[in-house]
Amino acid sequence: SSELTQDPAVSVALGQTVRITCQGESLRRYYASWYRQIPGQAPVLLIYGQGTRPSGIPDRISGSNSGSTASLTITGAQAEDEADYYCCFRDSTFNQYVFGTGTTVTVL
Amino acid sequence: QVTLKESGPALVKPTQTLTLTCTFSGFSLNTPEMRVAWIRQPPGKALEWLARIDWDDDKFYSKSLGTRLAISKDTSKNQVVLTMTNVEPVDTATYFCARLCGGDCYSSHAFDIWGQGTVVIVSS
Repeated sequence: SSELTQDPAVSVALGQTVRITCQGESLRRYYASWYRQIPGQAPVLLIYGQGTRPSGIPDRISGSNSGSTASLTITGAQAEDEADYYCCFRDSTFNQYVFGTGTTVTVL
Repeated sequence: QVTLKESGPALVKPTQTLTLTCTFSGFSLNTPEMRVAWIRQPPGKALEWLARIDWDDDKFYSKSLGTRLAISKDTSKNQVVLTMTNVEPVDTATYFCARLCGGDCYSSHAFDIWGQGTVVIVSS
């Protein structure tokens, strides 16, 4: 299956750590990229490949992979981290891009 | 600075053909490894990839929508055009174009720069 499943919503206290997961059998073969989207705005790339951050993304944001799960971890959560988060991978067999179902993060 | 901007009609009637244009700057689709994709997002729902076009004019389409989509590029105008035939109300969404990153990032197939999106409503 090429579906990616994410928890619909998670919450985190200000300054604490939150882990957002993305599950799918295809992740055993492919790395996921991660995007943050503030409602009404365009997504922003946070992580790609084996956990690489584009320039400008702070190191309190990190990505990892284990088996069929990709994870995005935000340490020291800030108000600006309140957003929707999506994982994505490209299936090279069929040349298709698959996005996860999305997770809404609330910072308390 | 790399920017992309989508344009197109805000309202389309069912069964009509939707044409969207992505105008970009800061890179060229004549440059090897450059790629541009279209992605959409229905209201309150997740992102959905639609199509991709590469510097060498290779084209790829969503399996679920492929027969309705056509993507093309005009490198002289720095534009990528997406057409979608026979639109339905379920095609109501914000449509984004995005560049796929090149260089060290190329094999990751990540979308590194996105346009602001354009809202399209399909309604009679």
